[in-house]
Amino acid sequence: AQKVTQTQTSISVMEKTTVTMDCVYETQDSSYFLFWYKQTASGEIVFLIRQDSYKKENATVGHYSLNFQKPKSSIGLIITATQIEDSAVYFCAMSAGTGGYKVVFGSGTRLLVSP
Amino acid sequence: EAAVTQSPRSKVAVTGGKVTLSCHQTNNHDYMYWYRQDTGHGLRLIHYSYVADSTEKGDIPDGYKASRPSQENFSLILELASLSQTAVYFCASSDWGVSQNTLYFGAGTRLSVL
Repeated sequence: AQKVTQTQTSISVMEKTTVTMDCVYETQDSSYFLFWYKQTASGEIVFLIRQDSYKKENATVGHYSLNFQKPKSSIGLIITATQIEDSAVYFCAMSAGTGGYKVVFGSGTRLLVSP
Repeated sequence: EAAVTQSPRSKVAVTGGKVTLSCHQTNNHDYMYWYRQDTGHGLRLIHYSYVADSTEKGDIPDGYKASRPSQENFSLILELASLSQTAVYFCASSDWGVSQNTLYFGAGTRLSVL
């Protein structure tokens, strides 16, 4: 069975600093995909970045990057030069197995960026 | 323009009543999903579908039915609504072959069962 765990309930940082959010996952499948999504205060959920399990390079999109540590089943999200508008809830998710139909989410980490 | 549209955006239902939540996507995606969000629980998968006229149970299907009459439409049905089904419901679509199951979400439906 697949499982995604986010242990950080909330994080507070100052604007323009770097923040890392943790996520660990469990799966028996050798091929899987890991995602990070952002839920804004309005409730909107948007896709941020994806890591494919077979790729060694960490994914990077804009000021979002991933720290993929496969031996530790860990996929951290790094946000550099944080902005006020980065304040949101961030969800880690995983899709695994043949077809990968099911996408399982973690419980989320709330990020507050202060000026 | 929104590619995944949910209706209604909010609804108040009575205990024991029937509730239907609708979802329409214009992404031309094969896969569609219904998730439930409760405070502190993240998103939990209720039902999903990868082809019209077929649905699959997710992790928490009890008390819910789903219907996929076409590629574009996916409904979630609560035959006998209960207080415990008060939550925010999200519909999503994805294309496995193109984006490895990256989900595109609707705006959500806030359901209150009284």
